[in-house]
Amino acid sequence: EDKVVQSPLSLVVHEGDTVTLNCSYEVTNFRSLLWYKQEKKAPTFLFMLTSSGIEKKSGRLSSILDKKELFSILNITATQTGDSAVYLCAVEAGNFNKFYFGSGTKLNVKP
Amino acid sequence: DVKVTQSSRYLVKRTGEKVFLECVQDMDHENMFWYRQDPGLGLRLIYFSYDVKMKEKGDIPEGYSVSREKKERFSLILESASTNQTSMYLCASRPRGQRNGYTFGSGTRLTVV
Repeated sequence: EDKVVQSPLSLVVHEGDTVTLNCSYEVTNFRSLLWYKQEKKAPTFLFMLTSSGIEKKSGRLSSILDKKELFSILNITATQTGDSAVYLCAVEAGNFNKFYFGSGTKLNVKP
Repeated sequence: DVKVTQSSRYLVKRTGEKVFLECVQDMDHENMFWYRQDPGLGLRLIYFSYDVKMKEKGDIPEGYSVSREKKERFSLILESASTNQTSMYLCASRPRGQRNGYTFGSGTRLTVV
């Protein structure tokens, strides 16, 4: 059975801290891994990863994929209260290019 | 700006009612999807469609049906709403053959009482 597991389920940090969110997966016919940020509405796209070892970076956020060990991490440095959200990991796999989602990591950044 | 629009942000329905959730996209995307999102369970795929009048079951289709009569519109139907269908429903679309993610709608929070 295809599955995507995120950890931790929730996290509370203070502004300025660095956080690492984890996503591991077991799927058939892996195609890509995506990270989304979800505040009180639609998830918004952060990164798409297809190749191992190549870091994607956007401001204070970065992500990397390890296709041998079947996981990805999302790093956020110098966190701000605006980073508070649920971070979703999704893996594209199988026929019809479906996405399988993890349960999300709820990040709360306190001032 | 590309957009996926879900017709209702919040909806309250009674047990046994037939419920229609509408989703419209203006991006000419072939693929459209319906997910439900529940705490601790993440997003689970209910149904998807890869073309007009085409539909495929996702992981949790029981109690739901869908309709795709036009390319831009994908409707989710709860034939007889039950309390365990109380959830956040997210619609998404994606163009065929492109290596990118979904564009999501803002979601419909459905409460069945």
